[in-house]
Amino acid sequence: EPEVTQTPSHQVTQMGQEVILRCVPISNHLYFYWYRQILGQKVEFLVSFYNNEISEKSEIFDDQFSVERPDGSNFTLKIRSTKLEDSAMYFCASTNGIRRETQYFGPGTRLLVL
Amino acid sequence: AQSVAQPEDQVNVAEGNPLTVKCTYSVSGNPYLFWYVQYPNRGLQFLLKYITGDNLVKGSYGFEAEFNKSQTSFHLKKPSALVSDSALYFCAVRGYSSASKIIFGSGTRLSIRP
Repeated sequence: EPEVTQTPSHQVTQMGQEVILRCVPISNHLYFYWYRQILGQKVEFLVSFYNNEISEKSEIFDDQFSVERPDGSNFTLKIRSTKLEDSAMYFCASTNGIRRETQYFGPGTRLLVL
Repeated sequence: AQSVAQPEDQVNVAEGNPLTVKCTYSVSGNPYLFWYVQYPNRGLQFLLKYITGDNLVKGSYGFEAEFNKSQTSFHLKKPSALVSDSALYFCAVRGYSSASKIIFGSGTRLSIRP
């Protein structure tokens, strides 16, 4: 069964450093998402992406964040200058856009900012 | 604005007993409701969804959920709990378009004792 994959599974970085989280969505999917889950809290929407454009973004998704689909398979989330409060689990998701379909989530990248 | 509420942070059930994890929703228009499960150090796995049709929805691992429009609820149920069902369960709601972001509840930790 096809699945969303994410790399790395864990990343530790110093405050102020740039990080890039990578995702490979399911191959025939057209809509891509990033969500995050701060430890012990609920999963929050960050951004959605379709047709090489951001469709929607939350207030969390400020100028420090950017997304890109650099080729036909990868979908990346970049945090330009990490802050302590960016420490969280980041989930990528994708869907094919059919109304009855759901979003499928990757296993997540646990980011720790020191 | 759409939202879901999970009134219980934790539910404890003995193995073999029926379990219920509660969820209520608030939406304008028709609700598109989901349950996801998160095992320790794992990603979000889709369990089941309600889009339209029968109020009783069957999903993975023997789980089912009952959509109740009058009570605006979408409780997750299983007739006989297993220790392996112990995990974090999220109720979620989505807009009409399958491309819409998913809004998650705060999560309920289900603990099944042998």
